[in-house]
Amino acid sequence: QKEVEQDPGPLSVPEGAIVSLNCTYSNSAFQYFMWYRQYSRKGPELLMYTYSSGNKEDGRFTAQVDKSSKYISLFIRDSQPSDSATYLCAMSFTGTASKLTFGTGTRLQVTL
Amino acid sequence: DTAVSQTPKYLVTQMGNDKSIKCEQNLGHDTMYWYKQDSKKFLKIMFSYNNKELIINETVPNRFSPKSPDKAHLNLHINSLELGDSAVYFCASSQDILAANEQFFGPGTRLTVL
Repeated sequence: QKEVEQDPGPLSVPEGAIVSLNCTYSNSAFQYFMWYRQYSRKGPELLMYTYSSGNKEDGRFTAQVDKSSKYISLFIRDSQPSDSATYLCAMSFTGTASKLTFGTGTRLQVTL
Repeated sequence: DTAVSQTPKYLVTQMGNDKSIKCEQNLGHDTMYWYKQDSKKFLKIMFSYNNKELIINETVPNRFSPKSPDKAHLNLHINSLELGDSAVYFCASSQDILAANEQFFGPGTRLTVL
């Protein structure tokens, strides 16, 4: 079993829909939770990160962390075709020599 | 200006060859990383350097040897290339080792071993 599980999709939604992307994890020591967006043939780009539990909002994006359930989510409101990409969740511990542990990514397609 | 750059972008080579990938960051960051992304898009850390010193070395074959001539550069040399080395290799950087949660990635080097 991988440390971080993510449904690979693809997830296809119409423009304007609310998108929900999720990851589950097994290691309760993770403290930082990140969402990266990766367009085809490009490098991952950090969208947002959350420390410990709670919600964080940035424009159309909202990240949620539920440490008791070991479950994190990314919501995209008013989805646009330009949101079509692979979304990778990532997690890390605090402290030095920390590293990112990634999920396998969910491919999202927003259609006109 | 490109924050994290990698060369080459594409690399096609025969099994058994030795090749290098270069990475440079102009963000003034102290920490740099190498990741491997396989055909299923799974991204896995290989190495991490902080101020030219190795701090993370995952279970990677000895054929892979990173080198950091200065804190703005982290190169990856691969000896005796194998078919299974075909993947996209990403370089990344962060402000320092405590900011590992905020990493900036390069565009990737797509390596194909024939």
